[in-house]
Amino acid sequence: NAGVTQTPKFQVLKTGQSMTLQCAQDMNHEYMSWYRQDPGMGLRLIHYSVGAGITDQGEVPNGYNVSRSTTEDFPLRLLSAAPSQTSVYFCASSYARPYTGELFFGEGSRLTVL
Amino acid sequence: AQRVTQPEKLLSVFKGAPVELKCNYSYSGSPELFWYVQYSRQRLQLLLRHISRESIKGFTADLNKGETSFHLKKPFAQEEDSAMYYCALSQHSSASKIIFGSGTRLSIRP
Repeated sequence: NAGVTQTPKFQVLKTGQSMTLQCAQDMNHEYMSWYRQDPGMGLRLIHYSVGAGITDQGEVPNGYNVSRSTTEDFPLRLLSAAPSQTSVYFCASSYARPYTGELFFGEGSRLTVL
Repeated sequence: AQRVTQPEKLLSVFKGAPVELKCNYSYSGSPELFWYVQYSRQRLQLLLRHISRESIKGFTADLNKGETSFHLKKPFAQEEDSAMYYCALSQHSSASKIIFGSGTRLSIRP
């Protein structure tokens, strides 16, 4: 039972480079989301999606793009990485109908931007 | 706007002592409140939700709408309770933004 799978687990980028963090879930969850975790700031919502083809912004969306072409996948794109995007990124998913509120998290992806 | 505040970054108590992790929220609608926990080298996971009114691993949390609080309590701390705890809020019965607080690291001393 894979649950929520994130890749890569670790990545080092140079300022200005682009990359995509992958997230896949095999639980047929409609709701998927991306968070970043920073010391002293907790988890902050970047983007979320309530179903294929539907995405919306969270608390800190600037510098990130998402798309949801399938129920299973929700990639997070950094178009031009900045040092301020150094963080640990978590993907999480949940049932939307009925809504339970229980998020299932991936293991996290640690990103360093030099 | 939704906001979750956890005023303590670190809480250190002795084994067997009572524990209370504070959580306050601001939300204009009808909220659902949750506590999530992240043990060392494990994934973040749901501990309990206010709507279930349940006790998990000896922890309970009561939603106080008058004080807009959802504090997490346990009468007797155990060493295995050491972890990072996050309070979270979402809109009632609707898949929407789930907002987290900044977290409290609980350390249980032997």
